[in-house]
Amino acid sequence: ETGVTQSPTHLIKTRGQQVTLRCSSQSGHNTVSWYQQALGQGPQFIFQYYREEENGRGNFPPRFSGLQFPNYSSELNVNALELDDSALYLCASSLQSGFAGGDTQYFGPGTRLTVL
Amino acid sequence: GQQVMQIPQYQHVQEGEDFTTYCNSSTTLSNIQWYKQRPGGHPVFLIQLVKSGEVKKQKRLTFQFGEAKKNSSLHITATQTTDVGTYFCAGSGSARQLTFGSGTQLTVLP
Repeated sequence: ETGVTQSPTHLIKTRGQQVTLRCSSQSGHNTVSWYQQALGQGPQFIFQYYREEENGRGNFPPRFSGLQFPNYSSELNVNALELDDSALYLCASSLQSGFAGGDTQYFGPGTRLTVL
Repeated sequence: GQQVMQIPQYQHVQEGEDFTTYCNSSTTLSNIQWYKQRPGGHPVFLIQLVKSGEVKKQKRLTFQFGEAKKNSSLHITATQTTDVGTYFCAGSGSARQLTFGSGTQLTVLP
């Protein structure tokens, strides 16, 4: 086990709604990254937070936003849900310098989001 | 932007046969990581390679990083049913992120 937890496990929403997904990182891991994994694809980087500030973003629109809190928890918020947002959302925490590309990523179990 | 391609997409092998998956990046990488995802699970870190030409072994798994730091491979010797899953490479370059390949789904037939 990685010590990274996510909630909820599964979620069903309708198009246009908003959703908040939660992640609890390993204690001491000051970097958290969020990924979207569509069925049959590799995880796609959404963004990364280091010490409560966003310090890297992938090719995702502004309706994907996040927060990181001092207690090693974080959130991913998605507004105006679209059908294509249906995917497994993974958070991953890492230990070092805020450069997730260079750190081992400890993934949580993910939240399966279905948008109808 | 940086792209990481992985082949093959699927591989079926008989238990005991060898397996190799290949990873190619459109740009030079600072490092490459390999992950395994079991069906219904999440990616689990296997290894990180940093140096040009680096080779690392973990029991039956051998990982290589190309001399130009643009390609990598994972080779499994004498596959077992416990090796079933999808293997992803993930590279990082100048951007502060990991770019994952699309993965190779390995099926091991008993």
